[in-house]
Amino acid sequence: DAGVTQSPTHLIKTRGQQVTLRCSPKSGHDTVSWYQQALGQGPQFIFQYYEEEERQRGNFPDRFSGHQFPNYSSELNVNALLLGDSALYLCASSLAGQGYNEQFFGPGTRLTVL
Amino acid sequence: EDQVTQSPEALRLQEGESSSLNCSYTVSGLRGLFWYRQDPGKGPEFLFTLYSAGEEKEKERLKATLTKKESFLHITAPKPEDSATYLCAVRSGNTDKLIFGTGTRLQVFP
Repeated sequence: DAGVTQSPTHLIKTRGQQVTLRCSPKSGHDTVSWYQQALGQGPQFIFQYYEEEERQRGNFPDRFSGHQFPNYSSELNVNALLLGDSALYLCASSLAGQGYNEQFFGPGTRLTVL
Repeated sequence: EDQVTQSPEALRLQEGESSSLNCSYTVSGLRGLFWYRQDPGKGPEFLFTLYSAGEEKEKERLKATLTKKESFLHITAPKPEDSATYLCAVRSGNTDKLIFGTGTRLQVFP
């Protein structure tokens, strides 16, 4: 049973560039959430996708956008990168409609903005 | 505003020295309190979900408990491989997002 996978593992970009991160959910899951984790901090919720639509969004600017595909995989796009966007980006998957459903995390993508 | 506070920030234990980690929360309508373990540079690994006050769950040397205001993660006779950051998160109301604390960094020395 494959868990949550993310690609790439590491990424280095320069300020002003754009980046796309990818996530495949755990088998059987249909909901994907994205989190940003700065060094020494807990993960911060960016947004959640279900049925190919953004269902909920945290306090992140419009530079952060996403997409969910019919196979439930998801992408996170960040435009006009800033130094402060350097962080570990985590994808979590879950199964909708189960009330107290747990979210399972992938290994993350480490983004460094120079 | 929903909030999670974890203490202590860091904890150093000798192997076999039991202790507890604290997670205090304020939330409107708790729909689950979650404990995760995170190793450096890795994604959080799910440990437990607690739903209501008085509930307890155990896994190997770990035991999680929940009251109306806080949760404890008890570690009994820890081993060096238990060294990690332990994260607490809550879900409230009719939202699916998790609100995390900043974690407790645990180091267990042989």
